[in-house]
Amino acid sequence: SQELEQSPQSLIVQEGKNLTINCTSSKTLYGLYWYKQKYGEGLIFLMMLQKGGEEKSHEKITAKLDEKKQQSSLHITASQPSHAGIYLCGADAGYKLIFGTGTRLQVFP
Amino acid sequence: DGGITQSPKYLFRKEGQNVTLSCEQNLNHDAMYWYRQDPGQGLRLIYYSQIVNDFQKGDIAEGYSVSREKKESFPLTVTSAQKNPTAFYLCASSIVQRRGSGNTIYFGEGSWLTVV
Repeated sequence: SQELEQSPQSLIVQEGKNLTINCTSSKTLYGLYWYKQKYGEGLIFLMMLQKGGEEKSHEKITAKLDEKKQQSSLHITASQPSHAGIYLCGADAGYKLIFGTGTRLQVFP
Repeated sequence: DGGITQSPKYLFRKEGQNVTLSCEQNLNHDAMYWYRQDPGQGLRLIYYSQIVNDFQKGDIAEGYSVSREKKESFPLTVTSAQKNPTAFYLCASSIVQRRGSGNTIYFGEGSWLTVV
């Protein structure tokens, strides 16, 4: 079965700093989804990547999928307190998404 | 506004009781899902439905039941057979999902269930 591993598990950064979250799959990815979650709330869709080498950006968040389609990274430029939360990657497993365990991001002034 | 509505937000259950979590969507999606989220374990699929009157077990279906009588509704019942039901439950919906389809899965705001 497919497994997703996220790193780091937790990240604390100062406001204005850049950061990267990684998501590694045990199998080739047919689609990789990034979501953001505030604790105790629902998941907010950020981006979805399908093609090897693909890169997408939204505001200050950029996601990439490597050429081999087994690893994705999420990069935040000039972090702000509004970026704080849990970031989850999800893999297209046909009828469902399989999720990583999440990365908890804290941003302090 | 279009979206997914889950209720209640907080629910307390006594041991031995069955409880039902509601999920309604007005996105006209055929597929609906229930996930369970525990600290440090990500999300795990309980049940999913691709069409009305049909549903399939996910990875952790034991102790749960669902129904899909209407396209917009997919309630989840947590039965007394579920040994550790305290968790955060998330309902989701999408256009029918197939591998590589690239369809986005949208999530509701979640429901907290606590056994007392």
